[in-house]
Amino acid sequence: GQNIDQPTEMTATEGAIVQINCTYQTSGFNGLFWYQQHAGEAPTFLSYNVLDGLEEKGRFSSFLSRSKGYSYLLLKELQMKDSASYLCAVLTTDSWGKLQFGAGTQVVVTP
Amino acid sequence: AAGVIQSPRHLIKEKRETATLKCYPIPRHDTVYWYQQGPGQDPQFLISFYEKMQSDKGSIPDRFSAQQFSDYHSELNMSSLELGDSALYFCASSAGTELFFGEGSRLTVL
Repeated sequence: GQNIDQPTEMTATEGAIVQINCTYQTSGFNGLFWYQQHAGEAPTFLSYNVLDGLEEKGRFSSFLSRSKGYSYLLLKELQMKDSASYLCAVLTTDSWGKLQFGAGTQVVVTP
Repeated sequence: AAGVIQSPRHLIKEKRETATLKCYPIPRHDTVYWYQQGPGQDPQFLISFYEKMQSDKGSIPDRFSAQQFSDYHSELNMSSLELGDSALYFCASSAGTELFFGEGSRLTVL
């Protein structure tokens, strides 16, 4: 099975940077996703990493180290609208498309 | 751009009643997934379909069933509803790696 761990909550100030870590233990790793979810809304795709390294997309960057079973999502120049839950999800080769989600990290952005 | 469409957006049922949720995937997406998200919980995979055939099954109760039709839309049928079935039900579709989620159907069982 998959164990996915990420912090429950993080608080940061508007304009600052926050890094959300995610560690996982899985067999047949086939990629890691980050989703943003506002309360009561659908998860929104942020990034997908399958190779080691950093993927940058605007204010959001995601890093993966497969050997360490570790990923992080970096949010820069925080805005109030970034207050949301950020879900780390792992895709495995034993089941195409069946994402295993972590419990999510609630990011609170303060003025 | 077209997104995943789910209906109804909100549904209120009594215990032991039946509910049906519908999902219309993004055009040309061949795979549909159903997830259940309880209050304060992460999404839990229920079931998926590829080219109208069930491709994988997760923690879906026996009281629930689903199918994908010839036009690729999918329906999740829930019978003998229980209070614990109250949740957000998300449908997602994909044509490869990335899953695109619908806005969800919120089911409340009273």
